[in-house]
Amino acid sequence: DAGVIQSPRHEVTEMGQEVTLRCKPISGHDYLFWYRQTMMRGLELLIYFNNNVPIDDSGMPEDRFSAKMPNASFSTLKIQPSEPRDSAVYFCASSYSRVFTEAFFGQGTRLTVV
Amino acid sequence: GENVEQHPSTLSVQEGDSAVIKCTYSDSASNYFPWYKQELGKGPQLIIDIRSNVGEKKDQRIAVTLNKTAKHFSLHITETQPEDSAVYFCAAPYSSASKIIFGSGTRLSIRP
Repeated sequence: DAGVIQSPRHEVTEMGQEVTLRCKPISGHDYLFWYRQTMMRGLELLIYFNNNVPIDDSGMPEDRFSAKMPNASFSTLKIQPSEPRDSAVYFCASSYSRVFTEAFFGQGTRLTVV
Repeated sequence: GENVEQHPSTLSVQEGDSAVIKCTYSDSASNYFPWYKQELGKGPQLIIDIRSNVGEKKDQRIAVTLNKTAKHFSLHITETQPEDSAVYFCAAPYSSASKIIFGSGTRLSIRP
């Protein structure tokens, strides 16, 4: 397996624009997590899914953020409208069978909002 | 809620020496403690984990110790090598919310 695949790797957008980040988890994994990493706040869990169903979205910063998982092999994180303070590295991770087990992270998407 | 504190934030050691990174947690029900290594430009990768039914676990040059009474756990790297330079994160479950909380990270530098 190629691991967790995220796209794009880098995204530069203007304030107010819509941004969509994409993730393909490892085949067979039933948990998917979206994290945000910044110098100030470290690694924050935004939302996670189990069997394509959102379980906990308490980490989503505000209504401008939304995430979907239409099937077991694809998830999106959307920011609309984007703001400069959303600039961060966004990671997708997946795991098998349990929340408390090894999570496999993608390479991340570095988002810059200017 | 769960709080995971990690120290130190930066650590520089001479190649060949040992490095120790420490974390404390607040949820006494926590029972799974992973350590992740993040290299530049990459996502975090699990290097070792421990569950609360053991006090220590080793994997070659890496070991993790757990003290449930004191609610702290530590990562030990022996005979450090240049490739050990990275950011290391501890994590602990927020059991009541079924999610993992990460520490703030330790940037480890190995001096040649």
